[in-house]
Amino acid sequence: KQEVTQIPAALSVPEGENLVLNCSFTDSAIYNLQWFRQDPGKGLTSLLLIQSSQREQTSGRLNASLDKSSGRSTLYIAASQPGDSATYLCAVITSGTYKYIFGTGTRLKVLA
Amino acid sequence: DAGITQSPRHKVTETGTPVTLRCHQTENHRYMYWYRQDPGHGLRLIHYSYGVKDTDKGEVSDGYSVSRSKTEDFLLTLESATSSQTSVYFCAISESQREVQETQYFGPGTRLLVL
Repeated sequence: KQEVTQIPAALSVPEGENLVLNCSFTDSAIYNLQWFRQDPGKGLTSLLLIQSSQREQTSGRLNASLDKSSGRSTLYIAASQPGDSATYLCAVITSGTYKYIFGTGTRLKVLA
Repeated sequence: DAGITQSPRHKVTETGTPVTLRCHQTENHRYMYWYRQDPGHGLRLIHYSYGVKDTDKGEVSDGYSVSRSKTEDFLLTLESATSSQTSVYFCAISESQREVQETQYFGPGTRLLVL
C-alpha cells in the first residue's frame, strides 16, 4: 500500500531564505507526482507535476525534483516571500491505479 | 482557474439525516474525485469516477455513495450522516492522456458539520 510522508510538518523561515520541502513515498512504481499549495480555508492549487520519466520541473521560483528509485521528491523554493506562507502537499499516483495518495503536508510560514 | 463549483459551501446537519453534496465542472474532464480532509490525515479519496455512470471506491468509502449521470456533475451522498463524517470535502477533476494522469484541479471545498 502506497504511503506518502512529508517532513517536517511545519517550518518557519525568515523572508529571503531558500528552502527545501521533502516528500517520500514507499512504492516507487508511480505514474507521476504532484505538488500542491493550500491556503487556509481554501482548496488546493497545483504547483508542479512531474511525470515518472522526468527528473525535475521548474516554475518561477519553484523547482521540484523526483528520484523514483529512492522514493523521494523535493520542492525547492528560492528567495522565499511572506506570500509563500501556506501548506504544501505532495501526492503520487501509483502505477495501475487512477488514485492520488496525498501526504499530510508541510505548513510553511515565511516571516517578514 | 478550472471551472469547478461545489454546493453547498457550508452545511450543518444532524446525525442520521441524509446529505448530498454536489460538484459541478465546466471543463468536460473525464475524471472526477471526492476527497475528505481531516487534521492529521491529509486528503483521503472517498470515491472517484472515470466516466458517466462509471465509479469506484477510494480508501474511505464506507458510509458514502456517489452518482454521475452527466459528465459535469458528481454527487456525493451520506445516506445517514454520523459525527465522524464532519470534515471538509473537496471535489477534484482531471483529464488523462495515454493512461497517465494529468493535473488535478480542486474545487473550493464544502465544510460539513454533523451534530
